[in-house]
Amino acid sequence: DGGITQSPKYLFRKEGQNVTLSCEQNLNHDAMYWYRQDPGQGLRLIYYSQIVNDFQKGDIAEGYSVSREKKESFPLTVTSAQKNPTAFYLCASSITSGSNEQYFGPGTRLTVT
Amino acid sequence: GDSVTQMEGPVTLSEEAFLTINCTYTATGYPSLFWYVQYPGEGLQLLLKATKADDKGSNKGFEATYRKETTSFHLEKGSVQVSDSAVYFCALTVLDYQLIWGAGTKLIIKP
Repeated sequence: DGGITQSPKYLFRKEGQNVTLSCEQNLNHDAMYWYRQDPGQGLRLIYYSQIVNDFQKGDIAEGYSVSREKKESFPLTVTSAQKNPTAFYLCASSITSGSNEQYFGPGTRLTVT
Repeated sequence: GDSVTQMEGPVTLSEEAFLTINCTYTATGYPSLFWYVQYPGEGLQLLLKATKADDKGSNKGFEATYRKETTSFHLEKGSVQVSDSAVYFCALTVLDYQLIWGAGTKLIIKP
């Protein structure tokens, strides 16, 4: 089955620790995205990548970092500089950067205490 | 800039009621319009889309018509079920990669 996987589904960390969220897709999509969702709110774009070895900041990139060394993988690191890291993180992909439709993973709920 | 406005929720209906969730947009170009659905604890799924004016997107009994004259893309369903309870997001994209999202509308269907 083709799709996007995110792991783990739930993640707990202590304040001050960096944590990396996994996102893998086997859809052969060029573009990948990371969104943050807070309770009762919409989606906010953190980072996106249109092609391997290239990525751009979204609306709320501060305190986050990404890499795109392989087409199928786009891991997100939540650093200790992110002031309010507790949130639901969603990864998505699309066929090309100009494609309209995005496909989403199941999400990772990160709790930092 | 481009933006999407959705009606605030939660919207609470009884089973078999008629559903409308309003969505209006502002865009400088000719956007494609989308409705995504998010079930509790899950990611988003594309529900339907329309890429040009007067197009009607439909899926699973839901429909939305792209109305350029009123810049709207309201989501409708004739008879809702408990299983339709979810959060619904309206979104648009114009020329580039980025989806512009509405804030989401939570729908609660009571048996």
